Amino acid sequence: GIQVEQSPPDLILQEGANSTLRCNFSDSVNNLQWFHQNPWGQLINLFYIPSGTKQNGRLSATTVATERYSLLYISSSQTTDSGVYFCAGGGSARQLTFGSGTQLTVLP
Amino acid sequence: KAGVTQTPRYLIKTRGQQVTLSCSPISGHRSVSWYQQTPGQGLQFLFEYFSETQRNKGNFPGRFSGRQFSNSRSEMNVSTLELGDSALYLCASSLDNRWTEAFFGQGTRLTVV
Repeated sequence: GIQVEQSPPDLILQEGANSTLRCNFSDSVNNLQWFHQNPWGQLINLFYIPSGTKQNGRLSATTVATERYSLLYISSSQTTDSGVYFCAGGGSARQLTFGSGTQLTVLP
Repeated sequence: KAGVTQTPRYLIKTRGQQVTLSCSPISGHRSVSWYQQTPGQGLQFLFEYFSETQRNKGNFPGRFSGRQFSNSRSEMNVSTLELGDSALYLCASSLDNRWTEAFFGQGTRLTVV
């Protein structure tokens, strides 16, 4: 099956700093999503981005499908951005394969 | 519109018992998937249902089963619970049988003692 590698595993930032999270896939994916897991465990949708670039406020994402990777950019980070960020994608089988996540800590 | 609803939110069971978790998808969504999240294994796919049919199953033992009803609501059942089944169980719904965005519920946190 598809393997998903996320980097970095941990990231500590000062408030106001920018960051880039990366997701590499071992094979082509038909869809790609980025999530933020809140403290109660729910996965909050950030982007559905099989290809191209999208922006939503301080967050943006880019997927280069031909090279099998995706990037999540967080600008001017805030303490509320802290948490775990996951990318996930699906191949021929209708299931999402998740990366191991990036634990982001934003310090005040 | 309402999101994905999972019940119960928290559950404590004894080893050897069985448990049933419920998931109500977003109105109009017909695909429901289940995932297990543990600190050691991360997020793993359990199974996916569309129009009451299981279309895909992850690498879990037969103690894990599920079903989907005609209104797209889904249940998953775990029999003969083991300590290692303690996890956060997440349900996701998608619009149809093509690759579309998945939306997750708040999860059911199961503790087996």
